[in-house]
Amino acid sequence: DAGVIQSPRHEVTEMGQEVTLRCKPISGHNSLFWYRQTMMRGLELLIYFNNNVPIDDSGMPEDRFSAKMPNASFSTLKIQPSEPRDSAVYFCASSLSRTGSAQYFGPGTRLTVL
Amino acid sequence: AQSVSQHNHHVILSEAASLELGCNYSYGGTVNLFWYVQYPGQHLQLLLKYFSGDPLVKGIKGFEAEFIKSKFSFNLRKPSVQWSDTAEYFCAVFWNAGNMLTFGGGTRLMVKP
Repeated sequence: DAGVIQSPRHEVTEMGQEVTLRCKPISGHNSLFWYRQTMMRGLELLIYFNNNVPIDDSGMPEDRFSAKMPNASFSTLKIQPSEPRDSAVYFCASSLSRTGSAQYFGPGTRLTVL
Repeated sequence: AQSVSQHNHHVILSEAASLELGCNYSYGGTVNLFWYVQYPGQHLQLLLKYFSGDPLVKGIKGFEAEFIKSKFSFNLRKPSVQWSDTAEYFCAVFWNAGNMLTFGGGTRLMVKP
């Protein structure tokens, strides 16, 4: 079975550029989560969707961050403009529901903003 | 606010030693409990989960965890660690009264060959 798919796996960009991260959840899962992981702050939940609808985006750090889920099989996390402090590994995870089912993580996108 | 605490940030063991990683969570009520493992350079993988029933849960790779409701704890154990268990381990709790999975800060385990 295909797990959560993320692309790109690595992204290096310059400060000020737009960055778009992509995620395809596990088929049949109806909840999707975006996390950011850094050494300093650990694992942080940025936003999560249930049935394609954003439920809680309180973890999104700034207006420079936005996320969309146009359909059940695709989500994007966009940073515009990017800054060096955005450098992190961004994980997407999906689960069957938002009521406490296990979340399954993708391989992550390692973002470096120069 | 609901929180998950992993008091051991770093643990160093020799191969064949026994492992116990602590996880405590705030508040009571009904919870779902998880342990995830993150091997170096990789993503989080589910080790085991507890929803209800037998409080001693068996997971993959010889890991187990025990839910002690009175202590709000869900400690992870393995009787004999291997070098390949070197990784970061995350405890996570979902409170049924809430709507969010909360992760602990993680414990980095290093197993010396």
